[in-house]
Amino acid sequence: AQTVTQSQPEMSVQEAETVTLSCTYDTSESDYYLFWYKQPPSRQMILVIRQEAYKQQNATENRFSVNFQKAAKSFSLKISDSQLGDAAMYFCAYRSANTGNQFYFGTGTSLTVIP
Amino acid sequence: DVKVTQSSRYLVKRTGEKVFLECVQDMDHENMFWYRQDPGLGLRLIYFSYDVKMKEKGDIPEGYSVSREKKERFSLILESASTNQTSMYLCASQDTTNYGYTFGSGTRLTVV
Repeated sequence: AQTVTQSQPEMSVQEAETVTLSCTYDTSESDYYLFWYKQPPSRQMILVIRQEAYKQQNATENRFSVNFQKAAKSFSLKISDSQLGDAAMYFCAYRSANTGNQFYFGTGTSLTVIP
Repeated sequence: DVKVTQSSRYLVKRTGEKVFLECVQDMDHENMFWYRQDPGLGLRLIYFSYDVKMKEKGDIPEGYSVSREKKERFSLILESASTNQTSMYLCASQDTTNYGYTFGSGTRLTVV
């Protein structure tokens, strides 16, 4: 099984500031997908952003962007201009492009946004 | 809007009871998954299914079984609930065109 590591169980950020959540993964594959999911208190997991490993360009979605370092097997999420609604648990996830449809998740980072 | 519905948001069951967790999707997806979410452990795959009547074990299948009699419904069964099965259970449905997941809102199960 693939291993996805999120080393920050908890993070906090001031409203309107920028925060970066870390994620590393272990794989011997060259073709895969990486995801960040958000789980607010409502518990509904929501896809934040997705990155294909073959793409060198970092994915962005409005205030959310990633820093994908393939050689370092690192996939961090940057949230700019943080808002109160960003407070949630964030999960990093990996899916192989070749060996199945299963997602492998990290242990999550709980983000608090301070007004 | 696509939807994955888990029938119960909260459940409390007694040790030894047989427990059914239901998940229904309205997207005509072939692939469906059951995960268990625990603090500090993230999401761990219990079982998944690629088609009606098909099932595959995930990483932690012990103490669980599943049923997929219809494409839209994927049930997780705890044959004899135990206190260590107290957890949040998340169902996901997968679009095989882009392989993205759509999650249900979760069932928080407490076994007493």
